[in-house]
Amino acid sequence: SAVISQKPSRDICQRGTSLTIQCQVDSQVTMMFWYRQQPGQSLTLIATANQGSEATYESGFVIDKFPISRPNLTFSTLTVSNMSPEDSSIYLCSATPSGTSGLHEQFFGPGTRLTVL
Amino acid sequence: DQQVKQNSPSLSVQEGRISILNCDYTNSMFDYFLWYKKYPAEGPTFLISISSIKDKNEDGRFTVFLNKSAKHLSLHIVPSQPGDSAVYFCAASSGTYKYIFGTGTRLKVLA
Repeated sequence: SAVISQKPSRDICQRGTSLTIQCQVDSQVTMMFWYRQQPGQSLTLIATANQGSEATYESGFVIDKFPISRPNLTFSTLTVSNMSPEDSSIYLCSATPSGTSGLHEQFFGPGTRLTVL
Repeated sequence: DQQVKQNSPSLSVQEGRISILNCDYTNSMFDYFLWYKKYPAEGPTFLISISSIKDKNEDGRFTVFLNKSAKHLSLHIVPSQPGDSAVYFCAASSGTYKYIFGTGTRLKVLA
Protein backbone atom coordinates (compact mmCIF):
# COMPACT_ATOMS: atom_id res chain seq x y z
CA SER A 1 0.00 0.00 0.00
CA ALA A 2 1.02 3.62 -0.47
CA VAL A 3 1.46 6.08 2.36
CA ILE A 4 -0.05 9.46 1.57
CA SER A 5 0.62 12.66 3.47
CA GLN A 6 -1.12 16.00 3.19
CA LYS A 7 -0.19 19.53 4.20
CA PRO A 8 -1.62 21.38 5.97
CA SER A 9 -3.65 19.08 8.19
CA ARG A 10 -6.03 21.92 8.96
CA ASP A 11 -6.39 25.63 8.38
CA ILE A 12 -8.71 28.50 9.14
CA CYS A 13 -8.93 31.03 6.33
CA GLN A 14 -10.67 34.28 5.59
CA ARG A 15 -13.20 34.47 2.80
CA GLY A 16 -11.82 35.67 -0.50
CA THR A 17 -8.40 34.12 0.06
CA SER A 18 -6.92 30.96 -1.47
CA LEU A 19 -5.33 27.89 0.07
CA THR A 20 -3.08 25.33 -1.59
CA ILE A 21 -3.10 21.80 -0.22
CA GLN A 22 -0.19 19.50 -0.92
CA CYS A 23 -0.35 15.73 -1.34
CA GLN A 24 2.76 13.56 -1.27
CA VAL A 25 2.85 9.80 -1.89
CA ASP A 26 5.76 7.65 -0.77
CA SER A 27 5.84 5.63 -3.98
CA GLN A 28 4.96 6.03 -7.61
CA VAL A 29 1.27 5.81 -8.25
CA THR A 30 -0.89 5.40 -11.29
CA MET A 31 -3.67 7.82 -10.54
CA MET A 32 -4.24 10.59 -8.01
CA PHE A 33 -7.55 12.07 -7.02
CA TRP A 34 -8.97 14.90 -4.92
CA TYR A 35 -12.15 14.50 -2.89
CA ARG A 36 -14.22 16.78 -0.73
CA GLN A 37 -16.25 15.78 2.30
CA GLN A 38 -18.63 18.47 3.42
CA PRO A 39 -20.00 18.27 6.98
CA GLY A 40 -22.34 15.31 7.32
CA GLN A 41 -21.94 14.39 3.67
CA SER A 42 -20.25 11.62 1.72
CA LEU A 43 -16.94 11.91 -0.06
CA THR A 44 -17.35 13.60 -3.43
CA LEU A 45 -14.78 13.36 -6.21
CA ILE A 46 -13.55 16.78 -7.31
CA ALA A 47 -11.11 15.77 -10.02
CA THR A 48 -8.51 13.32 -11.25
CA ALA A 49 -5.01 14.81 -11.19
CA ASN A 50 -3.20 13.92 -14.40
CA GLN A 51 0.56 13.99 -14.57
CA GLY A 52 1.80 16.59 -16.98
CA SER A 53 -1.62 17.64 -18.21
CA GLU A 54 -4.76 19.37 -17.05
CA ALA A 55 -6.85 17.68 -14.38
CA THR A 56 -10.15 16.03 -15.27
CA TYR A 57 -12.95 17.68 -13.29
CA GLU A 58 -16.25 16.17 -12.21
CA SER A 59 -19.56 17.81 -12.80
CA GLY A 60 -19.98 20.82 -10.55
CA PHE A 61 -16.27 21.51 -10.14
CA VAL A 62 -14.25 23.89 -12.31
CA ILE A 63 -10.58 24.62 -12.79
CA ASP A 64 -10.89 28.30 -11.89
CA LYS A 65 -12.17 27.40 -8.45
CA PHE A 66 -10.05 24.28 -7.83
CA PRO A 67 -6.83 24.46 -9.84
CA ILE A 68 -4.84 21.23 -9.57
CA SER A 69 -1.27 20.42 -10.42
CA ARG A 70 0.56 17.11 -10.69
CA PRO A 71 4.15 17.76 -11.74
CA ASN A 72 5.32 14.17 -11.15
CA LEU A 73 4.11 10.69 -10.22
CA THR A 74 4.15 11.22 -6.45
CA PHE A 75 3.01 14.80 -5.83
CA SER A 76 -0.10 16.88 -6.42
CA THR A 77 -1.60 20.14 -5.20
CA LEU A 78 -5.17 21.37 -4.94
CA THR A 79 -5.89 25.07 -4.57
CA VAL A 80 -9.21 26.26 -3.21
CA SER A 81 -9.59 29.73 -4.72
CA ASN A 82 -11.56 32.77 -3.62
CA MET A 83 -12.90 30.86 -0.64
CA SER A 84 -16.32 31.26 0.91
CA PRO A 85 -17.76 29.62 4.05
CA GLU A 86 -19.40 27.01 1.78
CA ASP A 87 -15.91 25.71 0.98
CA SER A 88 -15.46 24.60 4.59
CA SER A 89 -14.86 20.87 4.21
CA ILE A 90 -12.34 18.11 4.56
CA TYR A 91 -10.26 17.78 1.40
CA LEU A 92 -8.72 14.38 0.76
CA CYS A 93 -6.11 13.18 -1.66
CA SER A 94 -6.14 9.57 -2.84
CA ALA A 95 -4.11 7.39 -5.16
CA THR A 96 -4.06 4.01 -6.83
CA PRO A 97 -0.58 2.54 -6.47
CA SER A 98 1.00 1.12 -9.58
CA GLY A 99 1.56 -2.59 -9.65
CA THR A 100 -1.26 -3.47 -7.27
CA SER A 101 -3.44 -6.43 -8.05
CA GLY A 102 -6.58 -4.58 -6.96
CA LEU A 103 -6.87 -1.89 -9.53
CA HIS A 104 -9.86 -0.40 -7.85
CA GLU A 105 -8.60 0.15 -4.34
CA GLN A 106 -7.69 3.72 -3.59
CA PHE A 107 -5.54 4.79 -0.66
CA PHE A 108 -6.35 8.03 1.07
CA GLY A 109 -4.39 10.71 2.79
CA PRO A 110 -5.42 11.94 6.26
CA GLY A 111 -7.28 14.91 4.84
CA THR A 112 -7.07 18.68 5.26
CA ARG A 113 -9.78 20.24 7.39
CA LEU A 114 -10.55 23.69 6.02
CA THR A 115 -12.66 26.26 7.83
CA VAL A 116 -13.53 29.48 6.02
CA LEU A 117 -14.72 32.40 8.11
CA ASP B 1 -29.68 11.97 -6.37
CA GLN B 2 -27.86 9.74 -3.92
CA GLN B 3 -26.80 6.65 -5.87
CA VAL B 4 -25.28 4.95 -2.84
CA LYS B 5 -27.18 5.10 0.42
CA GLN B 6 -26.35 4.12 3.95
CA ASN B 7 -29.61 4.63 5.75
CA SER B 8 -28.31 4.02 9.25
CA PRO B 9 -26.17 6.92 10.41
CA SER B 10 -25.11 5.06 13.53
CA LEU B 11 -25.02 1.59 15.07
CA SER B 12 -24.08 0.31 18.52
CA VAL B 13 -23.07 -3.30 19.12
CA GLN B 14 -21.77 -5.21 22.13
CA GLU B 15 -18.21 -6.48 21.95
CA GLY B 16 -18.10 -10.05 20.63
CA ARG B 17 -21.42 -9.79 18.79
CA ILE B 18 -21.97 -9.36 15.09
CA SER B 19 -22.05 -5.91 13.46
CA ILE B 20 -24.05 -5.62 10.25
CA LEU B 21 -23.69 -2.48 8.18
CA ASN B 22 -25.95 -2.00 5.21
CA CYS B 23 -25.68 -0.17 1.92
CA ASP B 24 -28.15 0.24 -0.95
CA TYR B 25 -27.46 1.45 -4.46
CA THR B 26 -29.60 2.51 -7.37
CA ASN B 27 -27.30 2.28 -10.40
CA SER B 28 -27.37 -1.19 -11.98
CA MET B 29 -24.15 -0.36 -13.86
CA PHE B 30 -22.10 -0.54 -10.65
CA ASP B 31 -19.90 -3.62 -10.82
CA TYR B 32 -17.44 -3.15 -7.98
CA PHE B 33 -18.14 -2.35 -4.37
CA LEU B 34 -15.85 -1.42 -1.52
CA TRP B 35 -15.97 -0.77 2.18
CA TYR B 36 -13.76 1.78 3.87
CA LYS B 37 -13.21 2.45 7.54
CA LYS B 38 -12.42 5.91 8.85
CA TYR B 39 -11.09 6.91 12.25
CA PRO B 40 -11.27 10.55 13.39
CA ALA B 41 -8.55 12.78 11.90
CA GLU B 42 -7.48 10.02 9.52
CA GLY B 43 -8.26 9.27 5.91
CA PRO B 44 -10.48 6.34 4.94
CA THR B 45 -8.74 2.96 4.98
CA PHE B 46 -9.67 0.27 2.49
CA LEU B 47 -11.28 -2.70 4.21
CA ILE B 48 -12.76 -5.15 1.75
CA SER B 49 -14.22 -5.23 -1.75
CA ILE B 50 -16.46 -7.38 -3.90
CA SER B 51 -16.99 -7.71 -7.61
CA SER B 52 -20.48 -8.01 -9.03
CA ILE B 53 -19.69 -11.52 -10.26
CA LYS B 54 -19.59 -12.68 -6.66
CA ASP B 55 -22.13 -12.64 -3.87
CA LYS B 56 -19.75 -13.01 -0.95
CA ASN B 57 -16.19 -12.10 -0.06
CA GLU B 58 -14.56 -12.90 3.23
CA ASP B 59 -11.41 -11.58 4.88
CA GLY B 60 -10.87 -12.63 8.45
CA ARG B 61 -13.56 -11.12 10.65
CA PHE B 62 -15.00 -9.15 7.74
CA THR B 63 -17.46 -10.49 5.18
CA VAL B 64 -19.21 -8.53 2.48
CA PHE B 65 -22.42 -9.84 0.95
CA LEU B 66 -23.84 -8.60 -2.34
CA ASN B 67 -27.45 -9.04 -3.41
CA LYS B 68 -27.60 -7.71 -6.96
CA SER B 69 -31.31 -8.25 -7.43
CA ALA B 70 -32.01 -6.13 -4.36
CA LYS B 71 -29.15 -3.71 -5.12
CA HIS B 72 -27.97 -4.20 -1.58
CA LEU B 73 -24.69 -5.00 0.08
CA SER B 74 -23.81 -5.54 3.69
CA LEU B 75 -20.67 -5.76 5.77
CA HIS B 76 -20.57 -8.27 8.61
CA ILE B 77 -17.99 -7.98 11.35
CA VAL B 78 -17.71 -11.03 13.59
CA PRO B 79 -16.78 -10.84 16.38
CA SER B 80 -16.93 -7.09 16.86
CA GLN B 81 -14.11 -5.48 18.81
CA PRO B 82 -13.83 -2.02 20.42
CA GLY B 83 -11.13 -1.15 17.87
CA ASP B 84 -13.72 -1.55 15.14
CA SER B 85 -15.44 1.61 16.35
CA ALA B 86 -15.20 3.97 13.37
CA VAL B 87 -17.20 5.39 10.50
CA TYR B 88 -17.75 2.89 7.70
CA PHE B 89 -18.31 4.03 4.12
CA CYS B 90 -19.48 1.88 1.27
CA ALA B 91 -18.50 2.89 -2.24
CA ALA B 92 -19.38 1.71 -5.72
CA SER B 93 -17.88 2.07 -9.16
CA SER B 94 -18.87 1.10 -12.69
CA GLY B 95 -15.65 -0.13 -14.20
CA THR B 96 -13.70 3.05 -13.59
CA TYR B 97 -11.67 4.60 -10.81
CA LYS B 98 -14.53 6.93 -10.05
CA TYR B 99 -16.10 5.98 -6.73
CA ILE B 100 -19.52 6.97 -5.49
CA PHE B 101 -19.55 6.97 -1.70
CA GLY B 102 -22.34 6.59 0.78
CA THR B 103 -22.71 8.99 3.69
CA GLY B 104 -21.26 6.56 6.21
CA THR B 105 -22.41 4.64 9.29
CA ARG B 106 -20.80 5.33 12.65
CA LEU B 107 -20.21 2.02 14.44
CA LYS B 108 -19.67 1.97 18.16
CA VAL B 109 -18.60 -1.31 19.72
CA LEU B 110 -19.32 -1.34 23.43
CA ALA B 111 -16.92 -3.15 25.76
